[in-house]
Amino acid sequence: NAGVTQTPKFQVLKTGQSMTLQCAQDMNHNSMYWYRQDPGMGLRLIYYSASEGTTDKGEVPNGYNVSRLNKREFSLRLESAAPSQTSVYFCAIPSGTSSYEQYFGPGTRLTVT
Amino acid sequence: SQQGEEDPQALSIQEGENATMNCSYKTSINNLQWYRQNSGRGLVHLILIRSNEREKHSGRLRVTLDTSKKSSSLLITASRAADTASYFCATDAAGSYQLTFGKGTKLSVIP
Repeated sequence: NAGVTQTPKFQVLKTGQSMTLQCAQDMNHNSMYWYRQDPGMGLRLIYYSASEGTTDKGEVPNGYNVSRLNKREFSLRLESAAPSQTSVYFCAIPSGTSSYEQYFGPGTRLTVT
Repeated sequence: SQQGEEDPQALSIQEGENATMNCSYKTSINNLQWYRQNSGRGLVHLILIRSNEREKHSGRLRVTLDTSKKSSSLLITASRAADTASYFCATDAAGSYQLTFGKGTKLSVIP
């Protein structure tokens, strides 16, 4: 998954705690995406950013905030974590081949107890 | 809501056999893609087919698209143990780069 890095790889939170998931890319793409994947499910889009300084809601934005302060980084924040946010979180960027194809980071596995 | 629904949910075959999985979707699309996910890893793009295409090949992969039935199929020929993974279809609508994923088919290839 070279080109997209995510930190941390694993995290356990207690209900009500906050945390920020980090995503960084070195492929100079304008667009970046945050997805969540629940067990036995496909990915659902949380937020996306079409360019530095802009963000838009996806399918499941409730309970999350995002920040795109520069072209390289796109962070996802959980202000008050809930057990329903237990999931694997993936960051993605467009691939070099097509703006429609996406290139995914390795994911962050989050458990909220 | 999930746009695509893959069928079957799980598939187990012997090495060397062909694997076919299907995807149905609900609304008009611009493109349909297939991704592979190995256990515990991120998704990897396999192939994209445009709405005006009916069939596309890439190595051992063959994808078909029937927009009148809002369905697509992915055929993996001469399967290998390394093909064991979950496979997801994803669609995008005209004017949008956002992808909507199905729930996936879990393929197990037995050596």
